Amino acid sequence: SQQGEEDPQALSIQEGENATMNCSYKTSINNLQWYRQNSGRGLVHLILIRSNEREKHSGRLRVTLDTSKKSSSLLITASRAADTASYFCATAASGTYKYIFGTGTRLKVLA
Amino acid sequence: SQTIHQWPATLVQPVGSPLSLECTVEGTSNPNLYWYRQAAGRGLQLLFYSVGIGQISSEVPQNLSASRPQDRQFILSSKKLLLSDSGFYLCAWARSGELFFGEGSRLTVL
Repeated sequence: SQQGEEDPQALSIQEGENATMNCSYKTSINNLQWYRQNSGRGLVHLILIRSNEREKHSGRLRVTLDTSKKSSSLLITASRAADTASYFCATAASGTYKYIFGTGTRLKVLA
Repeated sequence: SQTIHQWPATLVQPVGSPLSLECTVEGTSNPNLYWYRQAAGRGLQLLFYSVGIGQISSEVPQNLSASRPQDRQFILSSKKLLLSDSGFYLCAWARSGELFFGEGSRLTVL
């Protein structure tokens, strides 16, 4: 079964607002990653957070990781219309090379 | 720098016909390679991954197969396509825990 589940499935916000997406997973992991996919394109890596990290920032992105709850969140601040895309989390169980993706959140930022 | 190429970009095939999707990586050696499938509006399903030449792990039982004839080449095949094989196929390689994706191959089986 798919390891990651994300919510919400879809999110629509106004430009300038913040967008928060959540991801849950099932097993022990070494790291968790977030990816972005524009419609009909390949995925692009956004950020990786290791299991011993609790928070990480990259530009307008903030990722948190709670290994006790097996969950992560991605916050996009001051959203732009260009942030419209699907966002996925991905994990691999410790000791494996199997990267499993969540179901994704479709973000729509309205100008 | 490393690049990943995937082709063909679009494919329309009749039910029962064979399939071959190719993926090559440049600028790195001995990469871990992956094939994913994405149904419309859905998440990614891991199909196969490979940690070396001739080493293929299959994650989903189906009529697809994968081969790695060379270090940086990963091929997805089928002898007879089913309607349910339609989807967006993505190849990826991994470095330091990060995946780098090709632009995908959209397969429509009619």
